[in-house]
Amino acid sequence: TQLLEQSPQFLSIQEGENLTVYCNSSSVFSSLQWYRQEPGEGPVLLVTVVTGGEVKKLKRLTFQFGDARKDSSLHITAAQPGDTGLYLCAGARRDDKIIFGKGTRLHILP
Amino acid sequence: NAGVMQNPRHLVRRRGQEARLRCSPMKGHSHVYWYRQLPEEGLKFMVYLQKENIIDESGMPKERFSAEFPKEGPSILRIQQVVRGDSAAYFCASSPLDRPAQRNTIYFGEGSWLTVV
Repeated sequence: TQLLEQSPQFLSIQEGENLTVYCNSSSVFSSLQWYRQEPGEGPVLLVTVVTGGEVKKLKRLTFQFGDARKDSSLHITAAQPGDTGLYLCAGARRDDKIIFGKGTRLHILP
Repeated sequence: NAGVMQNPRHLVRRRGQEARLRCSPMKGHSHVYWYRQLPEEGLKFMVYLQKENIIDESGMPKERFSAEFPKEGPSILRIQQVVRGDSAAYFCASSPLDRPAQRNTIYFGEGSWLTVV
């Protein structure tokens, strides 16, 4: 069974601080997605990374796909209360099955 | 999330009843995934379907659960004789799988929250 491990599980920081969350696996994925989910809602796609070493930026969010396509990180600069939510990474296998990590629950304190 | 429609959003069933959850994929999407999410947990894969075909149901419990995606109409996740442990959020997602650049990206609906009392 391929697993995606996300760390930390929980993170609570002050507004304005920077943070990084991680998504790791021993398996190679053809692509990796990051989603944010708020209570009572479905996950919303933030980014898809496909190429090993790829870096994508979305305003204050920076996503990196590991060179070996086994891991990824999400860095948030100057976190804001609106960034609060559950951040999920998902890896896509070659057979198109997509598996999810358990998520990092992020809380930004005003 | 725009485009993937799930209903009902909330469903309450007594133990032993049946639950039917529906999912209409985004326009032009031919593949549907179902995931289950328990409180404070991530998404657990259940089943992956294309029209009239189950591609991968390795995440489906062996009994009481079934899924279909007919040629016409929405995909249905059916849970027979529900038990309290079936209480969860059930998410449907769809993908186009017809464009290589978007091959492995899926888009979620808002979810259906099942409560078994």
